[in-house]
Amino acid sequence: GIQVEQSPPDLILQEGANSTLRCNFSDSVNNLQWFHQNPWGQLINLFYIPSGTKQNGRLSATTVATERYSLLYISSSQTTDSGVYFCAVDPYNTDKLIFGTGTRLQVFP
Amino acid sequence: DAGVIQSPRHEVTEMGQEVTLRCKPISGHNSLFWYRQTMMRGLELLIYFNNNVPIDDSGMPEDRFSAKMPNASFSTLKIQPSEPRDSAVYFCASSLGYGIGSVTQYFGPGTRLLVL
Repeated sequence: GIQVEQSPPDLILQEGANSTLRCNFSDSVNNLQWFHQNPWGQLINLFYIPSGTKQNGRLSATTVATERYSLLYISSSQTTDSGVYFCAVDPYNTDKLIFGTGTRLQVFP
Repeated sequence: DAGVIQSPRHEVTEMGQEVTLRCKPISGHNSLFWYRQTMMRGLELLIYFNNNVPIDDSGMPEDRFSAKMPNASFSTLKIQPSEPRDSAVYFCASSLGYGIGSVTQYFGPGTRLLVL
C-alpha cells in the first residue's frame, strides 16, 4: 500500500520563527489533507490540497502531486501552533484516508 | 453549533466486556467518520458513512468491531468482546459533502478507551 512519510519527526522553535513541514507519499493520490492535533488532543482539519498552494493566515500549504510531496509552511510561529501536524492522503481508486506519522512541533516563548 | 459530540469521553473496562462509543455529528452534515489513534499505529480510519450508509469498512480491525448509523444524527461504534489491544483514542468526525479526501472534516473530542 501507499507509504506516507513526514519530516522532520520533531521540531522545536522559538516564537516568531518560520518552519516548513514535509509530507512525501509513494503513489498517486486523489487528494491530500493537513491536520493539526493540539496538545489536548483536539484534531483540526487545516487544508485539503490536491495540488497548488493555499493560504490561511500564517499557514500555507503547497502540493506538487507530480513529485508526490506536500509542504506546510508556518510563519511567525506562536505557542498555540504547538502540537502534532499530520498529512493524510486519499489514494487513487480507493475510499481510504492514509495518515502520515506526524511532525511534533513545540513552540517556546 | 455544538460541534461533533462524543460520549463517553473516557471509558475504562475489563477485557471481554462490550463497549459502545457514541457520536452525534454536526446537524446537516451528511458524512461521518470513525478513527482510532494509538501510539503504535497512529491515526487510522476505521469506517465512514455517507447519508447513513457505510461506504468503506475495510479499516475495521476485526469482526469484534461494528458500527451503525441508524439516522443522520447518531452513530455508534461497538467492540464486543473488548481486548487490551483495543485501548486507544477513538475519534468521530463529520463533514458536509461526500468523498473521503476532498471535504473538511470536523472532529469530536475523542473517547479515550482503556481495556484492562
